[in-house]
This record gives sequence, structure tokens and C-alpha cells, in this order.
Amino acid sequence: SQTIHQWPATLVQPVGSPLSLECTVEGTSNPNLYWYRQAAGRGLQLLFYSVGIGQISSEVPQNLSASRPQDRQFILSSKKLLLSDSGFYLCAWSSIHVENYGYTFGSGTRLTVV
Amino acid sequence: DAKTTQPTSMDCAEGRAANLPCNHSTISGNEYVYWYRQIHSQGPQYIIHGLKNNETNEMASLIITEDRKSSTLILPHATLRDTAVYYCIVRPLIQGAQKLVFGQGTRLTINP
Repeated sequence: SQTIHQWPATLVQPVGSPLSLECTVEGTSNPNLYWYRQAAGRGLQLLFYSVGIGQISSEVPQNLSASRPQDRQFILSSKKLLLSDSGFYLCAWSSIHVENYGYTFGSGTRLTVV
Repeated sequence: DAKTTQPTSMDCAEGRAANLPCNHSTISGNEYVYWYRQIHSQGPQYIIHGLKNNETNEMASLIITEDRKSSTLILPHATLRDTAVYYCIVRPLIQGAQKLVFGQGTRLTINP
């Protein structure tokens, strides 16, 4: 069966520090991968998505970047964190096959920038 | 993605059926209706989806009106663990990145 792993679960980082959040998927190949952010009390915002290795699409301009160095690995990064980067970050995957319709989300990383 | 309109919040008594409405009056012919829910501090969870026929699975039932302009998610016997934010999303079933755009959803509270 397919599983998605996301870590760490919580993170407290000072302003100006770098960030690296990792997400890996097991049990499937060539998944579509996504990064979402949810600010406190707000809705889910799609940040990046990827349809293949090295292929990254950005949905909103921001202080973050994403990379997909391997088929089932998706990384969210920042060189210098801002206070506004605080939030709940969620990785998700979906199948490239049209008939497999659902998104599966990871358990999320709660980032607090101080 | 077509826009959806959901009530901000709803309450339901434990053991009763919870009926969550969603309006999607601008839905296109190739767009499906999806429902997800997000329990506090967790990632969203897929519940069900449908095109025009009513659908049922182990979690819920989805009733789509004949004109497809609205739908209702039914949790037949709500439990306290069903307390969550429920999102109704419409999008086409196509290949490629299947971006899901989440609205504000309905905050459902199940009361003992």
C-alpha cells in the first residue's frame, strides 16, 4: 500500500534561518506531489506541485522553494525564514492515473518562526 | 476550478445524520464533486467524489442534484470523531497535476 512520510512534525526556527522540510512517498511510482500551507485559522493554500523529477510549478510568489531530486521525494526549502512563514505545512500525493482520484496528505509539519 | 459555497459552520447531535450542503452553480460538465475533511491538526482526508450519480462508501453518501448545481454530503450516524472541517471541491478528472483548491469549508461540530 502507499504511504506518505513527512518530517519533522514540529519545528521552531528563528527568523533568518534556513528551512528544509522533506516528504517521501512509498508504494507508488511517478506520483504527482504537492506542498500546501495552512496559516493559523486560515484555509489551505497550494504552494508548489510537481509532475516529475526536477519539474516544479509554483502557485504563489513567496520566500520558499521546492525541489524534487528523486521520483518520490519532495523538499520544501527556504534560505531565510520570515515570521510570515509560520504555519502548518502539508505534503500530498496523487496518482498520475486518472481513475485514481484522491489526494493523500501527510501528517504535516507545524512550523513556528520566532 | 469552479467555486463552491458552503455554510461556515454546522452542529449535529451524536448518532444523528449530518447533512452538509454545497452549492456549485457554475460547475462544468466534466467537473466532479469531491469532499474532503480535515480533523484538527491533521492533513485533509478524502471522503468521496461523484459526477452526477449518487455515491456511497463506508464513510459517507453523496447526493448530487439532477442539475448538478448543488450536492449534499451525508454522514449517516455521526460520531464525535466526525468533528472536522469539511471541504467541497469541484474539479475535472484529468491527467497531469490534479490541483485541489480548498475553500473555507464547513466546520462541523458533533455534540454529545
